[in-house]
Amino acid sequence: TQLLEQSPQFLSIQEGENLTVYCNSSSVFSSLQWYRQEPGEGPVLLVTVVTGGEVKKLKRLTFQFGDARKDSSLHITAAQPGDTGLYLCAVPRGSGNTGKLIFGQGTTLQVKP
Amino acid sequence: DTAVSQTPKYLVTQMGNDKSIKCEQNLGHDTMYWYKQDSKKFLKIMFSYNNKELIINETVPNRFSPKSPDKAHLNLHINSLELGDSAVYFCASSPQGIANYGYTFGSGTRLTVV
Repeated sequence: TQLLEQSPQFLSIQEGENLTVYCNSSSVFSSLQWYRQEPGEGPVLLVTVVTGGEVKKLKRLTFQFGDARKDSSLHITAAQPGDTGLYLCAVPRGSGNTGKLIFGQGTTLQVKP
Repeated sequence: DTAVSQTPKYLVTQMGNDKSIKCEQNLGHDTMYWYKQDSKKFLKIMFSYNNKELIINETVPNRFSPKSPDKAHLNLHINSLELGDSAVYFCASSPQGIANYGYTFGSGTRLTVV
């Protein structure tokens, strides 16, 4: 059983549409991170959310951490082809220099022009 | 100026061979990691080093041996390569306290074992 379940697994939409992807768990986390990975590249950190109910915005991307700190969502407004990529959520396990990130299996987003 | 650089980008080799992947970071981070991304894009941690000391070894076969000559470098040597080792291997680094700072990843090494 995965610690983090991301949905949907795949999403193909037209430019200009809105979308939401989800990252769910039955565990409580101190924080949660979202990354975007483009083909042939490594994941790039988009945001870290820390407080239950926290909302962060990054241009057209809105990230929310669930009130109970068990889940998170990523909403993209007016998607652009440049938003295409693999979206990964991740949570830290352990602490300090012994910590590590555990990743969800990702949502692959394709935005067609 | 690349923050985390891995070489080579692509590696195609035959079963049974031994190969190495190199990683260097110029961010001054204390901790470096190796992750494996399988064909389903799932990223799984393999090793973590903090200031040249092995911190995490996630039950990886002992054919995989990481080496950190200094805190800016973390290399991965793989002996007797098997078909199942085919994957994309990512190096990453972080300052202390990953909960807030997250990782900086390299661009990956695609290993294909034939």
